Amino acid sequence: GNSVTQMEGPVTLSEEAFLTINCTYTATGYPSLFWYVQYPGEGLQLLLKATKADDKGSNKGFEATYRKETTSFHLEKGSVQVSDSAVYFCALTLTGANNLFFGTGTRLTVIP
Amino acid sequence: DAGVTQSPTHLIKTRGQHVTLRCSPISGHKSVSWYQQVLGQGPQFIFQYYEKEERGRGNFPDRFSARQFPNYSSELNVNALLLGDSALYLCASSQRRQTNTEAFFGQGTRLTVV
Repeated sequence: GNSVTQMEGPVTLSEEAFLTINCTYTATGYPSLFWYVQYPGEGLQLLLKATKADDKGSNKGFEATYRKETTSFHLEKGSVQVSDSAVYFCALTLTGANNLFFGTGTRLTVIP
Repeated sequence: DAGVTQSPTHLIKTRGQHVTLRCSPISGHKSVSWYQQVLGQGPQFIFQYYEKEERGRGNFPDRFSARQFPNYSSELNVNALLLGDSALYLCASSQRRQTNTEAFFGQGTRLTVV
């Protein structure tokens, strides 16, 4: 089947620390991979995406590289800010599909 | 431009009742999808509608139904509510049917069944 596994949270970091949130996937076909972010009281926002192996998605200082050999799409940021506090979801969709498969989410709290 | 709008934002219902949730997509978007997000979990796909036709359905019972109107807005209906239906219901719109294009999510409707 199709599924996404994320590292369990919550994750608490000090401002300017390095962030890694692990994501691995299982897919029956050739997936596109996404990271969505959910700020408190808001809906999901697309953070970044990658549609083929070795692609790197990046946005707002966040990066993730599509690794087909390890079926992974880990999210990284070199220096987190308090405003990055949110829940982060890894997701996949298959080519031609009409739905997203989400991980369980990882809550990040950044303290000053 | 307005984003995806959902109404109501919060709702409390009693077991056995019926509920209707509404979604207006971004102007020009023809695809609307519904997701259920139970507390502490990721969103689960319920339905996709594209050009007013159902194009996909997740693993949800027949108590869940939806429709899309000529203006591309959508309603999600849930009959015979159960306590387990308590969740955040998210609507997402996109220009095309395929989800490898960007999907824009609304803020959701928080449904509590008591």
